[in-house]
Amino acid sequence: DGGITQSPKYLFRKEGQNVTLSCEQNLNHDAMYWYRQDPGQGLRLIYYSQIVNDFQKGDIAEGYSVSREKKESFPLTVTSAQKNPTAFYLCASTPLTGPGHYGDTFGSGTRVTVV
Amino acid sequence: AQSVAQPEDQVNVAEGNPLTVKCTYSVSGNPYLFWYVQYPNRGLQFLLKYITGDNLVKGSYGFEAEFNKSQTSFHLKKPSALVSDSALYFCAGRALNSGNTPLVFGKGTRLSVIA
Repeated sequence: DGGITQSPKYLFRKEGQNVTLSCEQNLNHDAMYWYRQDPGQGLRLIYYSQIVNDFQKGDIAEGYSVSREKKESFPLTVTSAQKNPTAFYLCASTPLTGPGHYGDTFGSGTRVTVV
Repeated sequence: AQSVAQPEDQVNVAEGNPLTVKCTYSVSGNPYLFWYVQYPNRGLQFLLKYITGDNLVKGSYGFEAEFNKSQTSFHLKKPSALVSDSALYFCAGRALNSGNTPLVFGKGTRLSVIA
């Protein structure tokens, strides 16, 4: 079945540590997105990529980094500069279409906790 | 700037009663609008979308939504609520011909259906 796979499901980060969240899709979608979800704040866009080897900052990119070396993969690194990384992280993808009427397909999320 | 608003953080409804979850939008031109549902510690699942045509859109699990251009609203409805409908609901939008630019999300509404 086609879909988006996020791993790990739970991740514990120590102070000053960089950690990487994996997002892989086999839907042949061109665009991929990373969102952060905090209680009561909805979804906030961290980074997105519309094509391989290119990505743009979202609303809360500080303290995060991404790469897009392959169409199917869009890993997110939470760097030591992110002082409050505890949150639920969601990856999504959508086909490259002019009209934009396709919704996003979401992964099942990674919960990051600082220990 | 594009925006989507969900004016209610929480909606409580008795099982068997009709439910409405409100959404208003501010998207340039004709919007594409979406509803998603999220269960605890899971990703977002697509419920339905409005692209064009009939203002009443039917989706998964008996949900429907009514697009009202004059009121810039896209309220989610269901004639008879089930306890299993209890979840977090997100409204999202994207402008016509905006390609795969990121969706704009509301902050979410928590629906609680009481037996």
